[in-house]
Amino acid sequence: EIVLTQSPGTLSLSPGERVTLSCRASQSFTSSHLAWYQQRPGQSPRLLIYGASTRATGIPDRFSGSGSGTDFTLTISRLEPEDFAVYYCQQYGTSPYTFGQGTKLEIK
Amino acid sequence: QVQLVESGGGVVQPGRSVRLSCVASGFTFSDYGIHWVRQAPGKGLEWVAVIWFDGSNKYYSDSVKGRFTISRDDSKNTLYLQMSSLRAEDTAVYYCARDFRGGYYFLDYWGQGTLVTVSS
Repeated sequence: EIVLTQSPGTLSLSPGERVTLSCRASQSFTSSHLAWYQQRPGQSPRLLIYGASTRATGIPDRFSGSGSGTDFTLTISRLEPEDFAVYYCQQYGTSPYTFGQGTKLEIK
Repeated sequence: QVQLVESGGGVVQPGRSVRLSCVASGFTFSDYGIHWVRQAPGKGLEWVAVIWFDGSNKYYSDSVKGRFTISRDDSKNTLYLQMSSLRAEDTAVYYCARDFRGGYYFLDYWGQGTLVTVSS
């Protein structure tokens, strides 16, 4: 099973700031089959990024993803109030399709 | 528009069984793989199982293998999760989510979830 480790666990930031979230895999998997999801309080997860760097339909361009191999990042260039949420990475290269434990962005 | 609606959750005693359903609409159900993902109260997401678009492959997490069974009825646009030998640690919100393709991609649409509480 591929273990995804996200860091940091929690980040306290202010609107307008730039943030980079990390997702590290315990082993390489099928060519960048890495997705990022956002979960706001009380809501279902929402797809943000797939293929490590492709934004899903309707996702603002302040969200960007990068990485390959075992190291991936999600960057939000300028935080909006609605971006304060929990973010999960997921690999879909090898079953079981594991998630990271999540990074929570909270308002400072 | 794509919709996924889960049902079947509730309070279940340890060791008992329950079947969850997920009714899909707004897309051709038989063209897509579908996943179950769960989230224990206050915890992160845990992938549970997937069934491919044609039912030819089913995969499970180690934590549920041998106890849970995923299935689909394309005539009813419905996905199922038969959960047996339930344990307290199975308590979670269970989401169904559509695979972008046949069952081996990312999850592009999610339902609202149904809560299963395993307690005596």
